[in-house]
This record gives sequence, structure tokens and C-alpha cells, in this order.
Amino acid sequence: QKEVEQDPGPLSVPEGAIVSLNCTYSNSAFQYFMWYRQYSRKGPELLMYTYSSGNKEDGRFTAQVDKSSKYISLFIRDSQPSDSATYLCAMSPPGGGNKLTFGTGTQLKVEL
Amino acid sequence: SQTIHQWPATLVQPVGSPLSLECTVEGTSNPNLYWYRQAAGRGLQLLFYSVGIGQISSEVPQNLSASRPQDRQFILSSKKLLLSDSGFYLCAWRFPQGGEQYFGPGTRLTVT
Repeated sequence: QKEVEQDPGPLSVPEGAIVSLNCTYSNSAFQYFMWYRQYSRKGPELLMYTYSSGNKEDGRFTAQVDKSSKYISLFIRDSQPSDSATYLCAMSPPGGGNKLTFGTGTQLKVEL
Repeated sequence: SQTIHQWPATLVQPVGSPLSLECTVEGTSNPNLYWYRQAAGRGLQLLFYSVGIGQISSEVPQNLSASRPQDRQFILSSKKLLLSDSGFYLCAWRFPQGGEQYFGPGTRLTVT
């Protein structure tokens, strides 16, 4: 079993939809959680970073962490074609650690 | 603000040839530095990380090596490339005390 599970998609939604992207993990030591967006043939871009349970909002993006269920989500409101990309979740133990554990990414396509 | 550079952006090399990929970070001191390889559908694989000049930790035994000759410079090398070395190589940095990592634009390597 992988430490981090992420549905690879592809996930196709119409413009304006609310998108929900999810990861589950098995290691209860993970305390820091990140979401990255990666456009084709580009490096991952950090979208959200959180280290506590609950919600964190930044513009159209909301990151949600449920440590009791070992489940994290990224919600995108009013999705745009420019949101079409692969979304990677990542996590690490307390103190950051030098090893991030990544999901394999979910490919999202937002259609006009 | 901090920026991270990688070069070259793309590289095509024959089997058995040497490799040198370079990564530099601007706008911060004493960053932790990382080399990843991303293969299609397989997520991000941590290859090496460094917490300081001359300090290299290897995560995956292979024919690659890394060096950190200066505080903000990280180099990935190989004496003889294999076909299996093809992939997308990403450099990343983080603050020494931080958890989140920031990625460079990547180098796409094709070994022929």
C-alpha cells in the first residue's frame, strides 16, 4: 500500500464548477500538507500549505485537512480553463523533514 | 523574493555520455536543496538532498551523483548515462526550518 493515495483522473469539469481533489494517507506522523499545481512540462507550483486540521482558504482555493480520517482535499471554486493542470498533494512529518511524500497527481481539465 | 533556476531546459544525450545539470537559488541563504526525477505516471522520486555545502544525502542508489559546491548551487551529474535515466529532473529548495518546498522549472532529459 502506498503511503499517499491520489486518484490519477483525468477529471473533466465544465467551467465554473466546484472541483474537489483528494488524497488519503496512511502515516499518522504526517503533519504538514501541501498542494502543488503542475502544468504540462513545467515544474510544480506550490498552491497551499497547511499544518493543522481544518480549512485554509486562499482566493478560489480551499485546502481541507482531516487528520482523524487521514484525508486531505483541495477545493477549487469557479473553476477556469487555466486551472487545467495536474494537482499533486504532498506531506511530511513534524519539523518539515527532508522528505516530502507525494501523491501521483490528479489530472484536471476544465472545459469551456 | 526567492527564485530558482535550472539549466538546461531540455537535453538530448546518447547512452554512455556524461551529464551535468545545474540548479541555483537566489534571494535566500543556506537553503535545503533537492533533486527529484519525475517519470510519467509515477510521481516524484527524491534523488538527493543537501542541507549545506558539501553535504549530500542520497535516497536512491543509481549511477547519478550530486554536489553542492556553493551555498546556492546544486549540481546533478552522471559519468555514463543509461536509457533509464531519461525523465524530467526537478530541483527544489526550502528554508532550513520550513516544510514546504519550491520547485524550479525542470530539465527534460532524453537519453538516446
